[in-house]
Amino acid sequence: NAGVTQTPKFQVLKTGQSMTLQCAQDMNHNSMYWYRQDPGMGLRLIYYSASEGTTDKGEVPNGYNVSRLNKREFSLRLESAAPSQTSVYFCAMAAGPHHEQYFGPGTRLTVT
Amino acid sequence: AQSVTQPDIHITVSEGASLELRCNYSYGATPYLFWYVQSPGQGLQLLLKYFSGDTLVQGIKGFEAEFKRSQSSFNLRKPSVHWSDAAEYFCAVGSSGGSYIPTFGRGTSLIVHP
Repeated sequence: NAGVTQTPKFQVLKTGQSMTLQCAQDMNHNSMYWYRQDPGMGLRLIYYSASEGTTDKGEVPNGYNVSRLNKREFSLRLESAAPSQTSVYFCAMAAGPHHEQYFGPGTRLTVT
Repeated sequence: AQSVTQPDIHITVSEGASLELRCNYSYGATPYLFWYVQSPGQGLQLLLKYFSGDTLVQGIKGFEAEFKRSQSSFNLRKPSVHWSDAAEYFCAVGSSGGSYIPTFGRGTSLIVHP
């Protein structure tokens, strides 16, 4: 997972609380992504950012917001957490001419 | 729209046996194809990729995959599995232009018996 860091690694929230998941990359690449991973569902794209200052919705954006203030950082915010948002969240960046993805170690979020 | 199917949710093999994980994709042009591995509690790591040329590609950890256009497949193989290969494996397809959004399969969980 070299190159992409995520914080925190674990988080427990109560329904209605808010939090921001942080992601940073040190490889100066343009494209960054937020995914959630649920058992049997594979990876589902929440939001992505093709470059600094731009963001677009993915497959499952409802209940989330993102911010790409600079090239290095891409944060994911849950404004009012719900139990359905219990999941493992991965940040990734795309690198190289073929856009292979490099993933962070993940954040395991539980909403009670 | 592009899509990826991994037909096997779980695969069980004995250590030392050969392995083949199946992946079928749907994409209009020549795709970029990837296999990623996820060890428990970890993020995904790139195993190998195909983008053009030789249809048999080699990856890390002794894995290889073969692109078969006629079958829309990109199956992952390893001749002799080690206990440390137990993990979740994901196939992915991507495109070459515009906003790059890859599509991942749902994954295949590999169980290795001693």
